[in-house]
Amino acid sequence: DSGVTQTPKHLITATGQRVTLRCSPRSGDLSVYWYQQSLDQGLQFLIQYYNGEERAKGNILERFSAQQFPDLHSELNLSSLELGDSALYFCASSATGGAFYEQYFGPGTRLTVT
Amino acid sequence: GQQVMQIPQYQHVQEGEDFTTYCNSSTTLSNIQWYKQRPGGHPVFLIQLVKSGEVKKQKRLTFQFGEAKKNSSLHITATQTTDVGTYFCAGGGYSTLTFGKGTMLLVSP
Repeated sequence: DSGVTQTPKHLITATGQRVTLRCSPRSGDLSVYWYQQSLDQGLQFLIQYYNGEERAKGNILERFSAQQFPDLHSELNLSSLELGDSALYFCASSATGGAFYEQYFGPGTRLTVT
Repeated sequence: GQQVMQIPQYQHVQEGEDFTTYCNSSTTLSNIQWYKQRPGGHPVFLIQLVKSGEVKKQKRLTFQFGEAKKNSSLHITATQTTDVGTYFCAGGGYSTLTFGKGTMLLVSP
């Protein structure tokens, strides 16, 4: 158990819909990362927050947005969903936002868009 | 932007054989981390390398960071079925890590 929690575990929704994925980082960790994992694309970095502020952006679509709240939990919002958005979405946390700190991954949310 | 390439994408070995995965970056890295993801699981941190030419060992696993800090390797000696999973390298850049696409290892008994 990494200490990072993600809800829900599974999500099935239809194209065009909007969903919110939730992540609670490890106690004391200030940085949260979101990743998308699909079979052919590996682990794609989406976005990073550090202590409530956006720190880095990766391959995140405009239809996706995220935020980190004062209690440090984070939410990833996916809208106008398409079939291609079906994937495993991981949240990870680290002590700070630097590259030298290991990331602790949550169990992931499996999103299926039908 | 920074790119991290991993080869091979996939390897199937017999139990007891050795296995190596390679990681190459288009830019000089500040550090490199390795993660393992078991089937159905999430990535788990294995180790971090920071110094040029650094070599670290964890039981049957040997990790190496290249002299130019642009490449790294993970070698597993005498694989076991418990080694099955996907191994990711992640290269450190200015402030974040860039993950490679991973090498999936399958071990047959």
